[in-house]
Amino acid sequence: EADIYQTPRYLVIGTGKKITLECSQTMGHDKMYWYQQDPGMELHLIHYSYGVNSTEKGDLSSESTVSRIRTEHFPLTLESARPSHTSQYLCASSEQGVVRFNGYTFGSGTRLTVV
Amino acid sequence: KNQVEQSPQSLIILEGKNCTLQCNYTVSPFSNLRWYKQDTGRGPVSLTIMTFSENTKSNGRYTATLDADTKQSSLHITASQLSDSASYICVVSDRGSTLGRLYFGRGTQLTVWP
Repeated sequence: EADIYQTPRYLVIGTGKKITLECSQTMGHDKMYWYQQDPGMELHLIHYSYGVNSTEKGDLSSESTVSRIRTEHFPLTLESARPSHTSQYLCASSEQGVVRFNGYTFGSGTRLTVV
Repeated sequence: KNQVEQSPQSLIILEGKNCTLQCNYTVSPFSNLRWYKQDTGRGPVSLTIMTFSENTKSNGRYTATLDADTKQSSLHITASQLSDSASYICVVSDRGSTLGRLYFGRGTQLTVWP
């Protein structure tokens, strides 16, 4: 059972609304990540964090923002949702260090639909 | 350019049959290769993880192979079950950064019919 939780699982929201996707993990992992995945496509890294007060943009440009005030919490915010933001958003966390990859865990994802 | 290519894109098999999924990568320097299973609408779940020195690793009915020389990996599923229907994603990690960047394939969509 994964110890990384995302809420909500599904979200349908109107254009222009502000939304926050929640991600929390109980494993004490320092590294956390946000990925965006469209149907049938690969995951794209949009944000990551090395630890508290650390946030970086990933490979795929995104209008979303993230914050890391606590180790266990890594929320993603869209200030003004648009239909082009419709996608699945996956949160992940990992242990420190490149080699100890066994600790890389994904959440169940949030399916966002902007109408 | 670091890439991960998977084949076939989709596959339909009958329950009880075996199948093999392929993954070719160009990621360098190589750190490890993982196979994930992703059910529709869910997050990926790790099946196997292999480093450079590992050729084969099994997890129940799943057996992954790795040829680091040819940069190829395969995932073999034996005695398939209906619950095996999912997308199987090959993920390669490099060791060129502290982030341990992951490179994702697009996945093979496996459907198991009764």
